[in-house]
Parts: sequence; C-alpha cells; structure tokens
Amino acid sequence: AQSVTQPDIHITVSEGASLELRCNYSYGATPYLFWYVQSPGQGLQLLLKYFSGDTLVQGIKGFEAEFKRSQSSFNLRKPSVHWSDAAEYFCAAPSLTGTASKLTFGTGTRLQVTL
Amino acid sequence: GAGVSQTPSNKVTEKGKYVELRCDPISGHTALYWYRQSLGQGPEFLIYFQGTGAADDSGLPNDRFFAVRPEGSVSTLKIQRTERGDSAVYLCASSPSRGAGGYEQFFGPGTRLTVL
Repeated sequence: AQSVTQPDIHITVSEGASLELRCNYSYGATPYLFWYVQSPGQGLQLLLKYFSGDTLVQGIKGFEAEFKRSQSSFNLRKPSVHWSDAAEYFCAAPSLTGTASKLTFGTGTRLQVTL
Repeated sequence: GAGVSQTPSNKVTEKGKYVELRCDPISGHTALYWYRQSLGQGPEFLIYFQGTGAADDSGLPNDRFFAVRPEGSVSTLKIQRTERGDSAVYLCASSPSRGAGGYEQFFGPGTRLTVL
C-alpha cells in the first residue's frame, strides 16, 4: 500500500533562516506528490505539486520542492522563512486506484518561527 | 471564484445525537471527498463521490457514518448516535476529476465537531 512519511513532527526556525521539511513516500510507480499548508483554524491550501517532468517544482509563497526518486523523497524548501509561514505542513499523494484519487497524507510537520 | 464551503464551522453535540455536516463544492467539480482530521494527525479519507454516486466509501469507520450527494453538487455527511471518538475536524474537498489535474483537490475550511 502507498504511504507517505513525514519524520519531523515539529520544527523551529528563526525568521530569515532557510527551511527544509522532509517527506518520504512508498510507491511502486512514479507518484504524484503534493504539499499542503494548514494555518490554525483554516483549511488546507495547496503549496505545490509534482506530476512529472522537472523534478524541482516551484510553488506559492516562495516554496519549492525536489522529487528524488533514488531517495523516495519530496522535501519542501524555502530559502528565507517569514513569521507568517508558521503553520502545519502536510505531504500527500493520491492512491491512483481506478478512478479514485483519494489522498494519503503524512502526519504533518508543525513549523514554528521565532523572531 | 468561490471556493469549497462547509457549514457549520463548529458543531457541539451530545453523545448519542445525530448530526449533519454540509459541503458545497466548487461549481463544476464532479469529484467530492470527505476526510476526517483528528488532533495532531493528517486528514484521513472517508468517502469519495463521482457525480451523485459514492465511488469509494472504504474510509467510513462504521455504519453510523453515511454521506449523500443527491444532485451531484452539495454533499451531506451524516453521523448517527455520535460518540466522543467522533470528535474531529471534518474536511471536504472537490476536484475537476479530469486527467492529472483531477488529482489536485481543493479543500474547504472544515467543520469542527465536538461530541460531549
């Protein structure tokens, strides 16, 4: 069965520092992969997605992610974090069974930004 | 344009009561999903509609949970005989369900259900 793992439950970075959030997947074929962000009391907002092609994908709010098949990873990065980036981040992938595309989510990484 | 909306935003009920949670998807999106998010966890899939029919209800935890989408647009998640363990945020998402772009789901703000 497909699975998505986020090894880090909680990360704290200083404003202006760089950020990398880890995501590992377990899939047989080339997966589709997503990163979502959830601010307190808000729904999930799509940051970026990987379907195929260029393994470095750019998203909104200055985020990017790199798909590395050899490491089964899709880590999220940002060169300089802003205080408003404090939120919960989820990596996700669809099941790709039949026509259903239900998403399997990681357990999330909570980002805290110190000033 | 309007995004996915969910009502109510918060629902407090007593153990054993019946609740209905409503989801209004993005206009034109044929696929609709319900997820449940418990505290400190990622969302977990409950049920998926393609049009009016439930294409995959494998995530519903038991027969107290039921969902409908009678006209292929608005969906209602129904929970009978609520239990304290049902307390969670219930998220709805929709997608255009065409090609690779159909895998991108747009989420509503969720309904926070608290069972006392």
